Amino acid sequence: AQKVTQAQTEISVVEKEDVTLDCVYETRDTTYYLFWYKQPPSGELVFLIRRNSFDEQNEISGRYSWNFQKSTSSFNFTITASQVVDSAVYFCALSEASFGNEKLTFGTGTRLTIIP
Amino acid sequence: EAGVTQSPTHLIKTRGQQATLRCSPISGHTSVYWYQQALGLGLQFLLWYDEGEERNRGNFPPRFSGRQFPNYSSELNVNALELEDSALYLCASSIRLAPAKNIQYFGAGTRLSVL
Repeated sequence: AQKVTQAQTEISVVEKEDVTLDCVYETRDTTYYLFWYKQPPSGELVFLIRRNSFDEQNEISGRYSWNFQKSTSSFNFTITASQVVDSAVYFCALSEASFGNEKLTFGTGTRLTIIP
Repeated sequence: EAGVTQSPTHLIKTRGQQATLRCSPISGHTSVYWYQQALGLGLQFLLWYDEGEERNRGNFPPRFSGRQFPNYSSELNVNALELEDSALYLCASSIRLAPAKNIQYFGAGTRLSVL
């Protein structure tokens, strides 16, 4: 069975600080995908990144960066120089890569509040 | 390009009634997924439709059902509503072709309140 753990329920930081959201996953599959989604107050889940289990390269996109480590089954997300607009609930998710099993298994989310 | 659209935005029903939620995927997407986000239970997978067929189902009772139409839009039906069905229902769509394969794009959801 797949499982995603986001141990941080809520985080508050002052604007311009860096913040890291933790994600630990469990799966018996050798091929899988990892995702991060952002859920602002409007409710819509906004896709941020997908990472294939074979690709352990870290990725940077503007102020966002992701650190994928298979050895520790972690896929952490860092926001650099946080802004008020980053305030949202962030979900880490996992899916198998095989057809028929692409449903997303979500963590419980981390509510991030950026204090101006 | 239009994103995933869901209707209605809000739906209020009473216990025992039936609810119908609708979803239009992104143009070109053939897969539609439904998720339930209930308070305290997180995001849970409900149903997956691809090319008009139900491909996978989450751990929900049979009174949760749906279908996918030839234009790939989808409908989620919840029969015999119970109070605990109150939740945000999110629809997502995806395409089966690389490079966007398996990326699910979500709509804004339908908030169902059962009184």
